[in-house]
Amino acid sequence: GAVVSQHPSRVICKSGTSVKIECRSLDFQATTMFWYRQFPKQSLMLMATSNEGSKATYEQGVEKDKFLINHASLTLSTLTVTSAHPEDSSFYICSARPGANTGELFFGEGSRLTVL
Amino acid sequence: GENVEQHPSTLSVQEGDSAVIKCTYSDSASNYFPWYKQELGKGPQLIIDIRSNVGEKKDQRIAVTLNKTAKHFSLHITETQPEDSAVYFCAASFNNDMRFGAGTRLTVKP
Repeated sequence: GAVVSQHPSRVICKSGTSVKIECRSLDFQATTMFWYRQFPKQSLMLMATSNEGSKATYEQGVEKDKFLINHASLTLSTLTVTSAHPEDSSFYICSARPGANTGELFFGEGSRLTVL
Repeated sequence: GENVEQHPSTLSVQEGDSAVIKCTYSDSASNYFPWYKQELGKGPQLIIDIRSNVGEKKDQRIAVTLNKTAKHFSLHITETQPEDSAVYFCAASFNNDMRFGAGTRLTVKP
């Protein structure tokens, strides 16, 4: 299957700082990528849809100024958690779709954020 | 919008036994149904999928069945092994809008 890479896999930061997580499609171009948040023992919660060259579409209840998404190229989307607080600690996962209408979705390895 | 329900939330089986996980969906327009396996601390991995024009698909020990009339689909794992232990998610998708089930934690006891 297609490969989606996320970096970093783990990050620890102090409260009030900002953290950037990268999501790359390694062997295909993705005009659309998706960002999820996952709490322990829970399902994937879609945060936003990242669109190359345009603004991200955020799900209801997700603060766009808190979770900045940039999709500057066809292979890279970034999620920046701004002014992070302990409650932002979570597992963040991205996904991307190789074809426009194939339906197949491939996930990155996830990034564990811990805010002290 | 689409709503996907998944059962059971936890499943424990003995090594060698079969495991079945079931999902129902609400939007009859959904036409793509993938299953993902998520190991601890990792992202979900696509293990098998099925499209609405097919009733069953098999890949070695894994099979998926789809009943469009009843709007439910199931994952079947035969001859389970300890390495099958993970959380499994079903999903239903239409027009690239994918919704996930709540997940099933499968434990295979050696």
